[in-house]
Amino acid sequence: QKEVEQDPGPLSVPEGAIVSLNCTYSNSAFQYFMWYRQYSRKGPELLMYTYSSGNKEDGRFTAQVDKSSKYISLFIRDSQPSDSATYLCAFYPSGTASKLTFGTGTRLQVTL
Amino acid sequence: NAGVMQNPRHLVRRRGQEARLRCSPMKGHSHVYWYRQLPEEGLKFMVYLQKENIIDESGMPKERFSAEFPKEGPSILRIQQVVRGDSAAYFCASSQLADTAHEQYFGPGTRLTVT
Repeated sequence: QKEVEQDPGPLSVPEGAIVSLNCTYSNSAFQYFMWYRQYSRKGPELLMYTYSSGNKEDGRFTAQVDKSSKYISLFIRDSQPSDSATYLCAFYPSGTASKLTFGTGTRLQVTL
Repeated sequence: NAGVMQNPRHLVRRRGQEARLRCSPMKGHSHVYWYRQLPEEGLKFMVYLQKENIIDESGMPKERFSAEFPKEGPSILRIQQVVRGDSAAYFCASSQLADTAHEQYFGPGTRLTVT
C-alpha cells in the first residue's frame, strides 16, 4: 500500500465551480497536513496547513482533515482560471524535524 | 523579502559530467531540504541539512550524490558522473526552525537535463 494516494486527474471544472481535491494516507504518525499549489514549471507554493483533525479556512480555500479515516481534502470555492495548477498534498510527522511526504498531485483546469 | 533562491534554473550536462545545484534559503531560515521531482511523479525527499551538518540523507542515492550546507554560502547538491536517469527537477526548500519544519518554502527549482 502506498503511503499517500492522490488522484492525478486531470480535473476540469467551469469557472465558479466548487472544487474538491482529496488524498488518503496510511501513516498514523502524520500530524501536519499541507496543501501546495504548483504552476507549470514552477516551485510548489504552500497554500495552507492543518494540525491534527478539523477544518481550516483561508479565503476561498478550506482544508479538511479526518484522521479517523486518514483522509484529507481541499475545497476551492468560486474557482477561477488562475486556480489552474497541480495541487499537491503533503504530510509531516510529529516529533523531530523530518521530511515532507508528498502525493503525486492532482492537475486542475478551470475553464471559462 | 527574497524567497528561496536556486541556480541555475536550467542545467544541461552530458553523461559522465558533474552537476552542481545551489540553494540559498529564505532569510532567517537555517534548515534546508532537497527534493527531486520526476515527470508525472510527486516530490521525493533527498536530504535535510542544517548549517555544516547533514541531519537526514535517507533519500539520497548512496553513490554519486552529495550535499553540503557550509557555514557561509549556499547549500550545494552535487551529482557526479551524471546519467540520463538523473534528469529531473530538483527543488530546495527551507524552514526557519526545527519546530516549524512542517512549513517548508520552496524555490523555483533547477531543471537538470542529461544528454
